[in-house]
Amino acid sequence: SQQGEEDPQALSIQEGENATMNCSYKTSINNLQWYRQNSGRGLVHLILIRSNEREKHSGRLRVTLDTSKKSSSLLITASRAADTASYFCATPPSGANSKLTFGKGITLSVRP
Amino acid sequence: DTEVTQTPKHLVMGMTNKKSLKCEQHMGHRAMYWYKQKAKKPPELMFVYSYEKLSINESVPSRFSPECPNSSLLNLHLHALQPEDSALYLCASSQVDMGQVANNEQFFGPGTRLTVL
Repeated sequence: SQQGEEDPQALSIQEGENATMNCSYKTSINNLQWYRQNSGRGLVHLILIRSNEREKHSGRLRVTLDTSKKSSSLLITASRAADTASYFCATPPSGANSKLTFGKGITLSVRP
Repeated sequence: DTEVTQTPKHLVMGMTNKKSLKCEQHMGHRAMYWYKQKAKKPPELMFVYSYEKLSINESVPSRFSPECPNSSLLNLHLHALQPEDSALYLCASSQVDMGQVANNEQFFGPGTRLTVL
């Protein structure tokens, strides 16, 4: 069963706008990770936020984590056409040593 | 070198064929993974190797046989596959930190696009 559920499932924005994607999960976690996948390619790790962190930044990316609500958000500021991709949140549930479970993914389209 | 390489990029095989997918990394990662991904779906974990030992098999059918000959290489042997096995097969690797593998980012290869006729 899916651990993470992203919201919305698809997002279309104009270049230069900000994109916000949300992820909810069900069980306790050690960390939450966001990955990007360009069409038909491998996944690229974007950012990891640990369960004791509330916010993290990396370049144009900002991730928040609310463990009380079991949710995370990924904000991409000043979006570019090259940000067009699928975005997945992924969690290793606490106690699950080796397994990373991916959400269904969000398809982001950035119009030039 | 922060790259995971996978060969071949594309593979078409019949249901009676035997083929192998290969994955290689030189980042010193001691955990390696195989995922299967169908179109417009998230990756599904198949196998995890930790220190060259199989640590997770997600109830994958025996027609998929993984092998980790050394810490840099991961193979997936395919035999008697079905058309529904057609998918993108992704390899990934990560560090092992204090015995935990899933606490670290995973580095993915570009995948092998498999078509079973």
